[in-house]
Amino acid sequence: AQTVTQSQPEMSVQEAETVTLSCTYDTSESDYYLFWYKQPPSRQMILVIRQEAYKQQNATENRFSVNFQKAAKSFSLKISDSQLGDAAMYFCATNFGNEKLTFGTGTRLTIIP
Amino acid sequence: DTGVSQNPRHKITKRGQNVTFRCDPISEHNRLYWYRQTLGQGPEFLTYFQNEAQLEKSRLLSDRFSAERPKGSFSTLEIQRTEQGDSAMYLCASSFGSGYGYTFGSGTRLTVV
Repeated sequence: AQTVTQSQPEMSVQEAETVTLSCTYDTSESDYYLFWYKQPPSRQMILVIRQEAYKQQNATENRFSVNFQKAAKSFSLKISDSQLGDAAMYFCATNFGNEKLTFGTGTRLTIIP
Repeated sequence: DTGVSQNPRHKITKRGQNVTFRCDPISEHNRLYWYRQTLGQGPEFLTYFQNEAQLEKSRLLSDRFSAERPKGSFSTLEIQRTEQGDSAMYLCASSFGSGYGYTFGSGTRLTVV
């Protein structure tokens, strides 16, 4: 079965510090895309960062970066210099090489002022 | 472009009634997706369209659910004979293709009483 697992239901971090959210997945596909989405309370899902599985270089978007380990099927998100506006549910997702995205169960991130 | 628009934002209905939701995607996107999200879970795939063709439906989409995308523009999701288990957030998204990631709407929250 193709699954996405986020083992941390909740995480917290002090403002301005760095936090890493974990995600693992299981697939036999070799060509796929991975995503991190942010869902603030009562607001829409926003794409944070995207990684192509055939690229070894880890994606970076400003304060957000990923650690993609294809062999280990691991795709973690690092948030540097955490800000209050980063507080949200974070979902890891992949398309497993097809059209639909499969999401993990999410990690609720709290920023401590 | 104002992004993906969903209406209504909230819907409360009595069990057994029919409801219909509308999604207006980003006009340049030819793919449109419907997902369902329950509390504490990640979004689950329901169905997707490429232009006006419905190309895949999840087993979650029982025969009480029907989706249409006439003329490849807006889409509607209808639920007939609603049940309490249908209470959820219904998310619409659009894209050029799953590898690009989705742009989500704000969702329609359905409560069946």
